[in-house]
Amino acid sequence: AQSVAQPEDQVNVAEGNPLTVKCTYSVSGNPYLFWYVQYPNRGLQFLLKYITGDNLVKGSYGFEAEFNKSQTSFHLKKPSALVSDSALYFCAVRAVNFGNEKLTFGTGTRLTIIP
Amino acid sequence: DAGITQSPRHKVTETGTPVTLRCHQTENHRYMYWYRQDPGHGLRLIHYSYGVKDTDKGEVSDGYSVSRSKTEDFLLTLESATSSQTSVYFCAISELGDNSPLHFGNGTRLTVT
Repeated sequence: AQSVAQPEDQVNVAEGNPLTVKCTYSVSGNPYLFWYVQYPNRGLQFLLKYITGDNLVKGSYGFEAEFNKSQTSFHLKKPSALVSDSALYFCAVRAVNFGNEKLTFGTGTRLTIIP
Repeated sequence: DAGITQSPRHKVTETGTPVTLRCHQTENHRYMYWYRQDPGHGLRLIHYSYGVKDTDKGEVSDGYSVSRSKTEDFLLTLESATSSQTSVYFCAISELGDNSPLHFGNGTRLTVT
């Protein structure tokens, strides 16, 4: 079975500092990987995805993520945090070519940017 | 924002009553999904649809049913609501299925007393 782990429930970062939100996964074979962000009282919004190709994926709002196959990780990063980046972030994974398997979401990481 | 409307936005109901949540899309996307969001669990898939009248079960489908009679509407029914079904329910759509991004509605907060 596939799974996603977001080891930190809460991450606090000072405004202007780089931020990292961690995600590790487990699938049979190759993965499709996604990051979503959720603001209060809203649905999730798509940030970026890794399907194939370059390990460094760039997405919305200046975010990027690096796919590391050997470490089975897909950490979300941003060089300089903004207060407006404060939100709940979800990583999701699906195995490539694995029947009818659907996306599995992590439990989320709450990111707080401190002014 | 993608054209997804969930109704109602909030509902309080009593244990044992049936409840229907509605998801309406204006994007003409083929795939539609119902998720529930609970603290400590992230999002879990309840049911999904890959076309009109084509639906299938997700991870946590017990106690729920769905129907899709039109491309734009996907209904989630709690046949006999229980307190464990108190949650926030999200509808999502995607154009190409599992490899394409999901677009989410703003959710329905359901409380079963």
